[in-house]
Amino acid sequence: KFILTQPHSVSESPGKTVTISCTRSSDSIDDNYVHWYQQRPGSSPITLIFEDTQRPSGVPDRFSGSIDSSSNSASLTISGLKSEDEADYFCQSYDTSNHDWVFGGGTKLTVL
Amino acid sequence: QITLKESGPTIVKPRQTLTLTCTFSGFSLSTSGEGVGWIRQPPGKALEWLAVIYWDDDKRYSPAMRSRLAITKDTSKNQVVLTVTNMDPVDTATYYCAHRHPTWTSYHFDYWGQGMLVTVSS
Repeated sequence: KFILTQPHSVSESPGKTVTISCTRSSDSIDDNYVHWYQQRPGSSPITLIFEDTQRPSGVPDRFSGSIDSSSNSASLTISGLKSEDEADYFCQSYDTSNHDWVFGGGTKLTVL
Repeated sequence: QITLKESGPTIVKPRQTLTLTCTFSGFSLSTSGEGVGWIRQPPGKALEWLAVIYWDDDKRYSPAMRSRLAITKDTSKNQVVLTVTNMDPVDTATYYCAHRHPTWTSYHFDYWGQGMLVTVSS
């Protein structure tokens, strides 16, 4: 079984750009899609990015996802930071061998 | 429009069995490709996937929790039930049910319930 590792926290100023990484511990990041969820305080998670790079309708294009095979990681980039982006962000993928849905440990984004 | 809502006890005693019900609308669990999962989140901690059930009654469980979990569906009532046996204080968490996106290769949850906090305490 693999683990998805995220930084515990990141912070940046309004209007700036921040990137949150999600590193897969074994096998290839390309083996299964990576998805990203945003969870604001006291709320349920919502899907921000699915299938590595796709945005659900209604998600602003300030949010983008990417995959980097060289570092075996996925990234979520948020540009033009707003105070409303302050939330926890979780990556998630699927372990085909074990039929296991794997979540990262989550990253708390603070917009200073 | 897909909606899901969890219901069940908010407090259980140690060693008791927790039974949670997810009541949903906007899709049918008899439709090919559909699935409903359960995910939990201890206070201040990460999301943890527990189980998923598919339209064809295929069931998958977290390897770490497999021996304590059971998931069933009632298609006529649009409900999915999760039972967790031998509850412990460390099982205190918000429990979410969620709709699995029906694309076979995708494996993500696109709609989530509001969640319910279950506290394990004597």
